[in-house]
Amino acid sequence: QVQLKESGPGLVQPSQTLSLTCTVSGFSLMDYSVHWVRQPPGKGLEWMGRMKYDGDTYYNSALKSRLSISRDTSKSQVFLKMNSLQTEDTAIYYCTRDNYGGWFAYWGQGTLVTVSS
Amino acid sequence: DIQMTQSPSLLSASVGDRVTLSCKASQSIYNSLAWYQQKLGEAPKLLIYDANSLQTGIPSRFSGSGSGTDYTLTISSLQPEDVATYFCQKYYSGWTFGGGTKLELK
Repeated sequence: QVQLKESGPGLVQPSQTLSLTCTVSGFSLMDYSVHWVRQPPGKGLEWMGRMKYDGDTYYNSALKSRLSISRDTSKSQVFLKMNSLQTEDTAIYYCTRDNYGGWFAYWGQGTLVTVSS
Repeated sequence: DIQMTQSPSLLSASVGDRVTLSCKASQSIYNSLAWYQQKLGEAPKLLIYDANSLQTGIPSRFSGSGSGTDYTLTISSLQPEDVATYFCQKYYSGWTFGGGTKLELK
């Protein structure tokens, strides 16, 4: 069955770089696009960016200067890197699969990232 | 950028009530709209896509409607397990979520 799982450090220091991994199973990264979505504690959802099945990337304009998404298809992994982290980047980070049409039917469990010294 | 606005931000209703949640886009999104339910401590769950298509496995008391800029999620008879926050999302010309409607029991 389709599964996505986020992994990475739970704590990042201000001004440092966040690195997260989304490991998928049950489908190929060359067939489906994967997105990153984040949610600050008690707040709404923010779409961050997409790794398309053909390797193309697309980013939220508000995060574009700090964000990079890449992948390793042989390992079924999608990577998120975001630099210059601040306390407002504290959030649960989710990876999710695009169902061709643009909606997200499958989500990872999310990983909490806290930005603090 | 197209903005998505949900109303109300908080809704209190009783079991058995018909509940209507609203989502408005700043310009037409041509039915490219999904609704998600998020319970406390869980990842969002897809309910509706393409404005009115029910995702497999979702109870039929949930329905979506609308067109152009205005969309609605309706729960025909509220159940206790429907207490959650509901988000709309557009996927026309990129992806954006609305701010959410928190649904609680009265």
